[in-house]
Amino acid sequence: DAGITQSPRHKVTETGTPVTLRCHQTENHRYMYWYRQDPGHGLRLIHYSYGVKDTDKGEVSDGYSVSRSKTEDFLLTLESATSSQTSVYFCAIMRNPGTGGSANYGYTFGSGTRLTVV
Amino acid sequence: AQSVTQPDIHITVSEGASLELRCNYSYGATPYLFWYVQSPGQGLQLLLKYFSGDTLVQGIKGFEAEFKRSQSSFNLRKPSVHWSDAAEYFCAVKFSGFQKLVFGTGTRLLVSP
Repeated sequence: DAGITQSPRHKVTETGTPVTLRCHQTENHRYMYWYRQDPGHGLRLIHYSYGVKDTDKGEVSDGYSVSRSKTEDFLLTLESATSSQTSVYFCAIMRNPGTGGSANYGYTFGSGTRLTVV
Repeated sequence: AQSVTQPDIHITVSEGASLELRCNYSYGATPYLFWYVQSPGQGLQLLLKYFSGDTLVQGIKGFEAEFKRSQSSFNLRKPSVHWSDAAEYFCAVKFSGFQKLVFGTGTRLLVSP
């Protein structure tokens, strides 16, 4: 949807291993986000980026790092996966109003990555 | 602190009955407000959004929401619920001065025959 692709869609990994999730966009948006979704918690922001090499922490950033070396790619890395990081991860982009005004403004989400840490 | 509250974890509504899902937010200046819907195993679909102007906004699938500044609320409504509306609904807020979206914990809607 809206040029956002997350990969992989599903992954099972072992505790203690590093894992990298990828978010790719085709529309050159400046802001990109990583959220995790857990029952009873809604979606919580992990990290976000406001440009190439410009990133900032969200509310649940411990144990995660991100990188953005190109506008189109935003990578989320679990440095040493733990069972508490079993979750569904969503990437999002923020659409600026642009020439279409407020009708174009908003946030579009990828299809999600289901990560299981065993 | 910025927070979004959806006080109802689960709601069960009979098919054909009306629906109202509640959402309240903290913080000061009028934010940008969104409602998303998520079917099991699926991603998030935008139902509607509010930025300014008319406080009653219309969305897709027959949903509407009303912004009430005095109550810091943005409740979602539908006059007649269909079985296909069973899903989880999330209220989300972009607070003034920030570029990130803050979500409520969601309300799961069950539709009974």
